[in-house]
Parts: sequence; structure tokens; C-alpha cells
Amino acid sequence: DTGVSQDPRHKITKRGQNVTFRCDPISEHNRLYWYRQTLGQGPEFLTYFQNEAQLEKSRLLSDRFSAERPKGSFSTLEIQRTEQGDSAMYLCASSPKGLGDGYTFGSGTRLTVV
Amino acid sequence: AQSVTQLDSHVSVSEGTPVLLRCNYSSSYSPSLFWYVQHPNKGLQLLLKYTSAATLVKGINGFEAEFKKSETSFHLTKPSAHMSDAAEYFCVVSDHQAGTALIFGKGTTLSVSS
Repeated sequence: DTGVSQDPRHKITKRGQNVTFRCDPISEHNRLYWYRQTLGQGPEFLTYFQNEAQLEKSRLLSDRFSAERPKGSFSTLEIQRTEQGDSAMYLCASSPKGLGDGYTFGSGTRLTVV
Repeated sequence: AQSVTQLDSHVSVSEGTPVLLRCNYSSSYSPSLFWYVQHPNKGLQLLLKYTSAATLVKGINGFEAEFKKSETSFHLTKPSAHMSDAAEYFCVVSDHQAGTALIFGKGTTLSVSS
């Protein structure tokens, strides 16, 4: 296992279109997180899964955003009716049981809405 | 509520001189603290972590940080900067509640000149 994988690396979409991103965590990690990073800022938490259960959602996650982790393995993040303000790097991270082990981040999906 | 404040948005040093990146935290619980580094077009990499063990934490690439509860600080240091250290550095806090999101600072850009 080589770490957390995210696909695609880059996505350019027109305003109003829907987009979906995928994250494959480290296989033995039961916790999966989505973050968003805009230019010049630190990553901001979006949502968190423990196995297949979505346990926490940020107020940043508007009703146009939905995330799933159907079998407790990979996760998808969908943005409906994209807006220019959605342009950002979307980061996925996973961690094993126990916060002290830290998180492993993927390289991210850069979304550009034109 | 937890938060971190990175006191400098940009730090410039000469190669071979010491590095100091400052971070103050606020947490209602015993925090876990981390430093992550982000090189251009690369994913976030964990430099080091503090999880209530030794207050002086050693990380990768010669970096270390000291947890000072009385000062609510977790400054990152390195005795001698290398050109390859030029990157964005994030101070991060979380408490010990399982699944709680990481809270990132706004980042400090480290520039290293020859």
C-alpha cells in the first residue's frame, strides 16, 4: 500500500456542472477525512467517516456537497451545481484507530470552476 | 474550541542559519499538536507530532518542536536550514476525542536563500 490515493489530480469544470472525486485510503485505516484548501490558506475540515458511517460534517459542507463511503473503504465527494467559489484543492486523509498516529494525506484533487 | 495561531506568515533565512517558526494554540482539552509541511505541488507531509508524551519532539529532516503548556506554544525549530526546507509549514491542533478534525493554522512560508 503506497498511501492515500486521490483521483483525479486535476478537474476543470464549467459552473453549474456536477463533479465527483474519489479517495482510496490506506487499507487498514478505518477513519477517513475530507478537507478543502483554498489558495494561501490552511486546509479546512469538511467531513469525517469512521468505517462507513459519516460522523461529522462541517458547516462548510453545504447541501450541494455530499460524501459517501459505502463499504468503509474508498470514499467519494460530490459537488452539485458547482460555483466558482468551489475552486480549491480537495484533500483526503486517513488515520488508524487512535489520533496519536496522525493522519496520512493524499496529494489532493485540484478543482477549477470556470 | 481549539485553534492555532501561526505568528509569522513568512520567514526568510539564509542557508545554514537556524529556523524558528512560531505557533500558539488554544484548546479546552489536552491537545495533540502536529507540524505538517507542504512543498509546492505535493501533498501534506507530517513532520512531527506531540501527543502528551515527551515535551520535546523530534521529527524528520532535523526539525524539532517543544510543547510549552504554560506558554500555550509549540514552536518548530531546526539548527541549520537547507535550501530544500523552503516550503509551507502548518501548525495543527486536535484534542483527544476520537474522530475530531484537525484544525490547521494559516501557514508560514519558509524561504531559504543561499
